[in-house]
Amino acid sequence: EAGVAQSPRYKIIEKRQSVAFWCNPISGHATLYWYQQILGQGPKLLIQFQNNGVVDDSQLPKDRFSAERLKGVDSTLKIQPAKLEDSAVYLCASSLMPATNEKLFFGSGTQLSVL
Amino acid sequence: SQQGEEDPQALSIQEGENATMNCSYKTSINNLQWYRQNSGRGLVHLILIRSNEREKHSGRLRVTLDTSKKSSSLLITASRAADTASYFCATDANDYKLSFGAGTTVTVRA
Repeated sequence: EAGVAQSPRYKIIEKRQSVAFWCNPISGHATLYWYQQILGQGPKLLIQFQNNGVVDDSQLPKDRFSAERLKGVDSTLKIQPAKLEDSAVYLCASSLMPATNEKLFFGSGTQLSVL
Repeated sequence: SQQGEEDPQALSIQEGENATMNCSYKTSINNLQWYRQNSGRGLVHLILIRSNEREKHSGRLRVTLDTSKKSSSLLITASRAADTASYFCATDANDYKLSFGAGTTVTVRA
């Protein structure tokens, strides 16, 4: 079974630039999550999709972050414009069971450095 | 804000010893999960314990849950070098968000 795929693995940009991350969840997994993990901290949920609908985006800074999951499969997360404090690892996860948050499968993440 | 808080923040043990880490949380939960994260990698699900369960085992892992104290513990027995990682508890509360703590970093010395 293929895991959660994320790209790119690393990204370095300057502040005020734009960046996009891509995630392809495990086939058949209805729920997709984007987490932000700042160095030394636990992951913080940014947005959660159920198929192609948004379940929770209460912690997504909507003035600069956007995410979409077209066709209920892969997803992109965009930051525009980036700030220094956006430097973090962006983790995508998926889970099989709808309407629950049990047993998430994580990708390896995209490490973003904003200079 | 993060619901779960792990303790200790860091733990260093000798290979073969047991490692115990704790997680405390603030609100009622549906379940509590433990994840492992190796350096530079994503998180890997280890074990899930539901609010009506008190103890679960999986291989060398033992998890307990005390809902009256709002706390959980993860025990790794007979530790190995490969157990070196950060361990996170995640709580699924009634708001249907899965919230992670800040983690315990475990170092197993050969």
